[in-house]
Amino acid sequence: GQQLNQSPQSMFIQEGEDVSMNCTSSSIFNTWLWYKQDPGEGPVLLIALYKAGELTSNGRLTAQFGITRKDSFLNISASIPSDVGIYFCADAPAGGYNKLIFGAGTRLAVHP
Amino acid sequence: DTAVSQTPKYLVTQMGNDKSIKCEQNLGHDTMYWYKQDSKKFLKIMFSYNNKELIINETVPNRFSPKSPDKAHLNLHINSLELGDSAVYFCASSPGTGNTEAFFGQGTRLTVV
Repeated sequence: GQQLNQSPQSMFIQEGEDVSMNCTSSSIFNTWLWYKQDPGEGPVLLIALYKAGELTSNGRLTAQFGITRKDSFLNISASIPSDVGIYFCADAPAGGYNKLIFGAGTRLAVHP
Repeated sequence: DTAVSQTPKYLVTQMGNDKSIKCEQNLGHDTMYWYKQDSKKFLKIMFSYNNKELIINETVPNRFSPKSPDKAHLNLHINSLELGDSAVYFCASSPGTGNTEAFFGQGTRLTVV
């Protein structure tokens, strides 16, 4: 089946540092979504990307939809303690509007 | 107001029991889902409904039976619970018609003992 490869698996950084994580796939996708999950909560949508090459920001977050439509990255600038959580990339397969496939997640820990 | 709400938040039960999890969304979305998150936090789709119709069943055992009485509700009934069913189950909804931006509930942590 279709798979998303998300890296790194985990990161432990100092407050104030910038963070970068990415997802790749062997298949072409029409959508890239980035979610964050806090402990004990459901995933929350951070950024949605719909066009190849699209670069979108949401506060300190920036995400890009790769030109090949097979990859995406998420950057967090000037990290703060509340950035702690699990970040997931997710995709809807071409034509598969009723289904999201998730990456394995990047666990972020921020040291004050 | 909570957009996607599911109950209960925690469920502890013995093997062999039957249990249900309820989900409601007040976003007016056409599509609803059930996802399972395992102990390694991997999220996997189980079912997808569009306007009360089953669209996707990702080879889930037939002990799991979703029911959608209307497009705002998608409940999950599980028969003969097994230890391996222990996980966090998330309900979600999205607008449908090509928009897959899904909104998730808080999750139901199911523990089978």
